[in-house]
Amino acid sequence: GENVEQHPSTLSVQEGDSAVIKCTYSDSASNYFPWYKQELGKRPQLIIDIRSNVGEKKDQRIAVTLNKTAKHFSLHITETQPEDSAVYFCAARATNFGNEKLTFGTGTRLTIIP
Amino acid sequence: DAGVIQSPRHEVTEMGQEVTLRCKPISGHDYLFWYRQTMMRGLELLIYFNNNVPIDDSGMPEDRFSAKMPNASFSTLKIQPSEPRDSAVYFCASSLPLAAGELFFGEGSRLTVL
Repeated sequence: GENVEQHPSTLSVQEGDSAVIKCTYSDSASNYFPWYKQELGKRPQLIIDIRSNVGEKKDQRIAVTLNKTAKHFSLHITETQPEDSAVYFCAARATNFGNEKLTFGTGTRLTIIP
Repeated sequence: DAGVIQSPRHEVTEMGQEVTLRCKPISGHDYLFWYRQTMMRGLELLIYFNNNVPIDDSGMPEDRFSAKMPNASFSTLKIQPSEPRDSAVYFCASSLPLAAGELFFGEGSRLTVL
């Protein structure tokens, strides 16, 4: 089955600086890679996703890059703000018929230092 | 739509007792997932359903765990008998089929087994 590894497990950055979180996956059939943000005591919520036919996707201060050859993808947050403090999860899913499993990484606790 | 609804939000029980967690997915979503979240293991997929049929239950820890989806608007996750190591937050999530992608999580059920 799919195995998703995520690094680092914790990350502290000064407000205004950039943050980068990296993930690797094992199943070459995976073709959908979402990122979820979970604030303390809340549910995980999708913030951005990328599919395997795209190398990069941006949404305001958030961007995700994908390297299918190397089987890794990354989340980039620029101009970080205090409200970016949360746990971020990457995930991978093979959206082939009959397989809808979304496998999550172990999470990165991001702390923005004012 | 009110989103994915889970109950109870919090459950404290004693070892050996039966626990039943409930979930109402978003109307029209064909897929329903049960995840368990702990500090040590992150978000683990326990089981998922497609059109009320269990597709993959390979993540269910052992025979003490069982899940049902009697109709499109209701699912249960049962633990019998419960053990202290079952203490975790249990999330239910639902999604549209295949390429639509996003998983919508409920608020979670925090289970504490004493």
